[in-house]
Amino acid sequence: GQQLNQSPQSMFIQEGEDVSMNCTSSSIFNTWLWYKQDPGEGPVLLIALYKAGELTSNGRLTAQFGITRKDSFLNISASIPSDVGIYFCAGHGSGGSNYKLTFGKGTLLTVNP
Amino acid sequence: DAGVTQSPTHLIKTRGQQVTLRCSPISGHKSVSWYQQVLGQGPQFIFQYYEKEERGRGNFPDRFSARQFPNYSSELNVNALLLGDSALYLCASSPGTGALNTEAFFGQGTRLTVV
Repeated sequence: GQQLNQSPQSMFIQEGEDVSMNCTSSSIFNTWLWYKQDPGEGPVLLIALYKAGELTSNGRLTAQFGITRKDSFLNISASIPSDVGIYFCAGHGSGGSNYKLTFGKGTLLTVNP
Repeated sequence: DAGVTQSPTHLIKTRGQQVTLRCSPISGHKSVSWYQQVLGQGPQFIFQYYEKEERGRGNFPDRFSARQFPNYSSELNVNALLLGDSALYLCASSPGTGALNTEAFFGQGTRLTVV
């Protein structure tokens, strides 16, 4: 089945630093979504990407849909303590699997004030 | 507007029991999906329902079943609970299916513990 490889697994950074995380797949995805999840809560949608090569921003967050349709990255600029959490990439596959989201295993972000 | 609401928020059950989890989607959304998230992993797809019909099913045993009601709310049922069913169960709401299914909004989840 489709799998997403998300890296890094965890990051520990200082407040104010920029962060980059990425997601790769062995198969093509039609959409890429990035979510943030706080402990005990459901994932919150941050950015949605629909076209290969698309670059989208949401405040300090920027994400891109890779041109091969098999990867995506998320950048966070000037990190702040409330950026702490687990970030997940997710995507809708092509063809018969387009009804479900496939998730990566997540990147745990810790920001040191 | 209310987001996706799930009930209960926490639940403790004994092995072999049955459980029913409930979800109300965002107003106007017709598609509901269920995901299971075990500790340290990303959510895993269980079911999608649209207009009361099952549109997709993940790799879960037949002990897992679901349904969608005319008001688009949904229930997830799990029979003969196993310890390994302990997880956060997430409901996701989408406007529709296919091209309208791309943005899924999640509820806060139901934390199920099987003892």
